[in-house]
Amino acid sequence: KNEVEQSPQNLTAQEGEFITINCSYSVGISALHWLQQHPGGGIVSLFMLSSGKKKHGRLIATINIQEKHSSLHITASHPRDSAVYICAVMSRGGADGLTFGKGTHLIIQP
Amino acid sequence: EAQVTQNPRYLITVTGKKLTVTCSQNMNHEYMSWYRQDPGLGLRQIYYSMNVEVTDKGDVPEGYKVSRKEKRNFPLILESPSPNQTSLYFCASSLTNNEQFFGPGTRLTVL
Repeated sequence: KNEVEQSPQNLTAQEGEFITINCSYSVGISALHWLQQHPGGGIVSLFMLSSGKKKHGRLIATINIQEKHSSLHITASHPRDSAVYICAVMSRGGADGLTFGKGTHLIIQP
Repeated sequence: EAQVTQNPRYLITVTGKKLTVTCSQNMNHEYMSWYRQDPGLGLRQIYYSMNVEVTDKGDVPEGYKVSRKEKRNFPLILESPSPNQTSLYFCASSLTNNEQFFGPGTRLTVL
């Protein structure tokens, strides 16, 4: 079973700072997901990656398959980016479903 | 509008009283899944389904049942709920190996 570790668990930063959240996993995967959960509770998918890098607005996600590691970056952070960011991995073949990290609680102060 | 719907959104019930949480998607997705979210434990997968009539256990299936008789619906059944099933439940769907779309969540309290 895949083990998914996220760091940091909590992060408080000032508006405008560059943010990095890390995710590492123990077993080879078919895909990695980055999710965002706002205080209201709803979950939104930000990215799904199987290799390389993806960018959407101020968000960038990268994955290194050999090192079993992914990062989520937020450029020019804003208070509305305050949320919990969750990494999840799908094992090869999808037979085991999704395994989640415990999330990173991000607070961006004005 | 493409969406995943769950009902009910909030439910308070008593130990042993059977309940069903419905999940429906209108995107013709093959993959559907149920998760529970608990403080300190994060999200954990309960059951998932790769297609109609195909279901598999996730990490925490004990005390739950599911069925996938048609593509759009994936109900979660608690035959005899217990207080340790008090949690926030999410249903999600996707095309196989693709981005997941989550429902709004169901907050369940079992007294």
